[in-house]
Amino acid sequence: EFVLTQSPATLSLSPGERVTLSCRASQRISNYLAWYQHKPGQAPRLLIYDASNRATGIPARFSGSGSGTDFTLTISSLEPEDFAVYYCQQRSIWPWTFGQGTKVEIK
Amino acid sequence: EVQLVESGGGLVKPGGSLRLSCAASGFTVSNAWMSWVRQAPGKGLEWVGRVKSIADGGTRDYAAPVKGRFFISRDDSKNSLYLEMDNLKTEDTAVYYCSSSTTSCYTLCAFDIWGQGTMVTVSS
Repeated sequence: EFVLTQSPATLSLSPGERVTLSCRASQRISNYLAWYQHKPGQAPRLLIYDASNRATGIPARFSGSGSGTDFTLTISSLEPEDFAVYYCQQRSIWPWTFGQGTKVEIK
Repeated sequence: EVQLVESGGGLVKPGGSLRLSCAASGFTVSNAWMSWVRQAPGKGLEWVGRVKSIADGGTRDYAAPVKGRFFISRDDSKNSLYLEMDNLKTEDTAVYYCSSSTTSCYTLCAFDIWGQGTMVTVSS
């Protein structure tokens, strides 16, 4: 069974800090990975598609990297509006799947 | 303005049926890859199903938990997507989101358009 594993489950940080979120795939998925930000009561928001491409309108402080099985989402300097749950999602193998999410909370 | 608006959620008994609608504006549904994604209370996101653009064959695919019970359809005249849900189970309780990628997922795939979600509660 294909699995995406995100780490850590929760991060407690302060505005201005640098954030690095990890996503590991149980099989190689080339660069077919996206990152989403999700806040309670809102629709998920696409941040990064195909591992490293910022979606339209996404600030430059968000960046993605990786290929194969290991991927990273970096937020260079946390803004107050960045506190949310972040999900990685693969589109290499159907069914497309999400990781379990990383919650970035205010310290 | 490019947007998706879902409707049709509500309370239904186990074994019942429900049809969700997703009205699109600012782009053509038949030219996009469309999907339904859900989030059960306190859980993460789950991809429910997808339909490819007409240009890419228009085929539909479903996740295992809903295969044989859920069906995705399109009405080009209304520029809308639908999710027909039959034999509903308590574990189908979730917020259901409609989403689209206006670029083909055979090349560059970006599900960057999302609706606000509609709540489905399956309970006796």
